[in-house]
Amino acid sequence: AQTVTQSQPEMSVQEAETVTLSCTYDTSENNYYLFWYKQPPSRQMILVIRQEAYKQQNATENRFSVNFQKAAKSFSLKISDSQLGDTAMYFCAFMPTSSGNTPLVFGKGTRLSVIA
Amino acid sequence: EAQVTQNPRYLITVTGKKLTVTCSQNMNHEYMSWYRQDPGLGLRQIYYSMNVEVTDKGDVPEGYKVSRKEKRNFPLILESPSPNQTSLYFCASSLFRGTTDTQYFGPGTRLTVL
Repeated sequence: AQTVTQSQPEMSVQEAETVTLSCTYDTSENNYYLFWYKQPPSRQMILVIRQEAYKQQNATENRFSVNFQKAAKSFSLKISDSQLGDTAMYFCAFMPTSSGNTPLVFGKGTRLSVIA
Repeated sequence: EAQVTQNPRYLITVTGKKLTVTCSQNMNHEYMSWYRQDPGLGLRQIYYSMNVEVTDKGDVPEGYKVSRKEKRNFPLILESPSPNQTSLYFCASSLFRGTTDTQYFGPGTRLTVL
C-alpha cells in the first residue's frame, strides 16, 4: 500500500521569506503523480502544483516549486516570497497511474502560518 | 465557471436521521469521488464512480451509500448517521481516472451527528 508522510505538523515563516514543506512517500509503482493541495480556513481544497513522476524537471507555478527526488521518494514544496494568504493547511498527495481505482493518498498535512 | 458544488455546506443532525449530501460538477467529468477528512487522519476515500451507474467502495465505505444516475451528480447518502460520521466531507471529480487529469474538489460539507 502506498503511504504519504508529512513530518512537519506545523511550520511558520515570516512574510516575504521562503519556506520548504517536506513530503516523502512509499510505493512500488513506477508511474504516478504527486500533488500539493492547499486548504485555507475556508476548508476548500485547492490544487497548488502537480508533478508527473516520469518528468525529471521539477514543476513550478509562480512562487511555488517542488524538489522531486524520485530515488529518495521525496517531494518537497518550496514557497518563495511568502504571503499572508499562504497561511493554510498543505497536503501532499500521491496517485498511481495504474488503471482501476487507486484514490489519491494524502499525507496528514502541514499547517503553515505566515507571520507579518 | 467550472466547479464542483456541494450542498449543504454545514449540517447538524441527530443519530439515525437519514440525510443526503449532494455533489454536482459542470465539467462533464466521468470520475467522481467522495472523501472524508478527520483530524490527524488526512483525507480518506469513501466511494467513487468511474461513470454513470458505475460505483464502487473506497477505503472507508461503511455507513455510506452513493448513486450515479446522471454524469453530473454524485450524492452521498447516510441512511442512519452515527456520531462517528461527524467529519468534513469533500466531493471531487476528474475527467477520467488514471490519466493526467487532476481531481477538482468541492468546497466541503461540515457534518455533525449528535
